[in-house]
Amino acid sequence: AQTVTQSQPEMSVQEAETVTLSCTYDTSESNYYLFWYKQPPSRQMILVIRQEAYKQQNATENRFSVNFQKAAKSFSLKISDSQLGDTAMYFCAFMKYFSGGGADGLTFGKGTHLIIQP
Amino acid sequence: NAGVTQTPKFQVLKTGQSMTLQCAQDMNHEYMSWYRQDPGMGLRLIHYSVGAGITDQGEVPNGYNVSRSTTEDFPLRLLSAAPSQTSVYFCASSSRGPGGEKLFFGSGTQLSVL
Repeated sequence: AQTVTQSQPEMSVQEAETVTLSCTYDTSESNYYLFWYKQPPSRQMILVIRQEAYKQQNATENRFSVNFQKAAKSFSLKISDSQLGDTAMYFCAFMKYFSGGGADGLTFGKGTHLIIQP
Repeated sequence: NAGVTQTPKFQVLKTGQSMTLQCAQDMNHEYMSWYRQDPGMGLRLIHYSVGAGITDQGEVPNGYNVSRSTTEDFPLRLLSAAPSQTSVYFCASSSRGPGGEKLFFGSGTQLSVL
């Protein structure tokens, strides 16, 4: 079984600052995906960024980037130029990879509540 | 294109009552799943289905029942609700093949069991 650990229950930064959210995971799988999901107060689950474990290059999506350290089983999210709209719960998640599509579901961490102060 | 639709959005039950949470998707996705989210926790997998007629248990299946008679629908049944089932429930779907790792989530159902 996989486990995902987010050690920061809450973080607060000023608008325009850069913030890094931490995530570590434990698995015996060699092929898998890692994700960061954002959940604003509307409770909608929004995919922020995903990383395929076999790719060494870190994924980036505009202001969001990850630092993927496979050997250390670490997957942190960096948000640059933070905005008020980034205020939300952020969840790190793991998916075991199956050829033909992921079918085993996501394992989530407990989340980090990120607050962007004006 | 509606995506994943969950009904109802809110529900209050008394202990021992039964109900069905509905989930429908219009993207012809093979894979559908149910998660629950408790305060201070991430989402946890209840049941999932890889296609019509096929279902399997996730991490927290006790007290819940599912069936998948069509590709589009994946209802979650609570046979005898308990206060421990007070939670927010999310349905999700995804396709097989490339891109199947991206889950599409519904907007959630907030359930309170008194």
